Amino acid sequence: GAGVSQSPSNKVTEKGKDVELRCDPISGHTALYWYRQSLGQGLEFLIYFQGNSAPDKSGLPSDRFSAERTGGSVSTLTIQRTQQEDSAVYLCASSHISTGVYEQYFGPGTRLTVT
Amino acid sequence: DQQVKQNSPSLSVQEGRISILNCDYTNSMFDYFLWYKKYPAEGPTFLISISSIKDKNEDGRFTVFLNKSAKHLSLHIVPSQPGDSAVYFCAASSPNTGTASKLTFGTGTRLQVTL
Repeated sequence: GAGVSQSPSNKVTEKGKDVELRCDPISGHTALYWYRQSLGQGLEFLIYFQGNSAPDKSGLPSDRFSAERTGGSVSTLTIQRTQQEDSAVYLCASSHISTGVYEQYFGPGTRLTVT
Repeated sequence: DQQVKQNSPSLSVQEGRISILNCDYTNSMFDYFLWYKKYPAEGPTFLISISSIKDKNEDGRFTVFLNKSAKHLSLHIVPSQPGDSAVYFCAASSPNTGTASKLTFGTGTRLQVTL
């Protein structure tokens, strides 16, 4: 079956512009996560959606970052007024927690470059 | 504060030999641990996991060992193959605490398997 997909695969933007990153999770997965990987760093948790529960936004680095998940499926991560330190690979993952399986399945990522 | 640490940024192993990748954690609330493999320009791929109620989990050539008292886990790959060359991330979560099942990742170890 189809895995997690993300678009665009690459995004170059000027400092100060807004960007939107999209994630399509695996069909039927109830949980969706956003992470980012900066150069030379591990993956950093950003936000988590689980069903209809309020999202866990504890990893968002600033109020310029926001995310939504429409209809329990597709998610969009928005970064307003981008800064150069926002440059990173943004990864989306999904999982089906209700089965007791905690493994998360990742998409290929969106490489964001802020110039 | 790096709660999951992979102190070896790189490892080189000859084909056919054993690869041992190490990971340490500091948060005693973690009770589920995972290893992911990542190729360039791809998202991380789930490899193997272990619950804190176990001290070993084996899947083919891959075995994960957990030492809770030392807060240490390791991934053994035997025998190592050239296709195993990738970056390996250790991750931890606490899915039974009622909090979001976000993963906390280490910074990764780049494994190179040589001929």
